[in-house]
Amino acid sequence: AQTVTQSQPEMSVQEAETVTLSCTYDTSESDYYLFWYKQPPSRQMILVIRQEAYKQQNATENRFSVNFQKAAKSFSLKISDSQLGDAAMYFCAYRSWDDMRFGAGTRLTVKP
Amino acid sequence: NAGVTQTPKFQVLKTGQSMTLQCAQDMNHEYMSWYRQDPGMGLRLIHYSVGAGITDQGEVPNGYNVSRSTTEDFPLRLLSAAPSQTSVYFCASSYASRGGTEAFFGQGTRLTVV
Repeated sequence: AQTVTQSQPEMSVQEAETVTLSCTYDTSESDYYLFWYKQPPSRQMILVIRQEAYKQQNATENRFSVNFQKAAKSFSLKISDSQLGDAAMYFCAYRSWDDMRFGAGTRLTVKP
Repeated sequence: NAGVTQTPKFQVLKTGQSMTLQCAQDMNHEYMSWYRQDPGMGLRLIHYSVGAGITDQGEVPNGYNVSRSTTEDFPLRLLSAAPSQTSVYFCASSYASRGGTEAFFGQGTRLTVV
C-alpha cells in the first residue's frame, strides 16, 4: 500500500520569510498525482497545489511551489513571502487509481 | 454552490449506539470517499465508491458500513459506536477515480463516543 510521510509535525516561519514543508511517499506506480492541502482552523480542506508525476516541471501557484523529485519520491512545498493567513495544517497527499492517501500533516505557525 | 454537504457537524454518541453520517454532493462526481482525521495520523481512508452501486474498503474500514444507491449520496454508518471511533470525519468527492482532479471535501463531522 502506498504511504505518505511528513516528518515535520510542526514548523514555524517569520512573516515574509520562506518555509519548506517536506513530504516523501512510497509507491510502485509510475503514474500518479501529488497534492498539498491546507486545513485552517475552520477545518475546511483547501487544495493548495497539485503535481502530475509524468511532468518534470515543478508546479507553482503564486507564492506556493513544489520541489518534485520523482526518483527520490520526494514532494516538498515551498511557501514564499509567508503571510499570517498561511498558518494552518498542511497535508501532503498521493493519488493513484482508486484511493487517495494523506500524510500525518505539518502544523505551520506564522510569527508576525 | 452547495458542493459537498455533510451532516451533522457535531455528534455525541454513547458506546454501542449506531448512527449514520450523511454526505451529499451536487457536482455529479463519480468518486466519493470517507476519511477519519485523528491527531498525528492525518486523514485515513475508511471506504470509497467509484460510482453508484460500487463501494470498496480503505485503510480502516472496520466498524463502518457504506452504500451508494445514487451518484449524489454516500452515507457512512457506524454499526455499534466505540470510543476508538471518536474522530473528525470527512466526506470527499471528485470527478474521476484516478487522476489529478481535485477532491472536494465536506466541512467535517466531529464525533465523540462516550
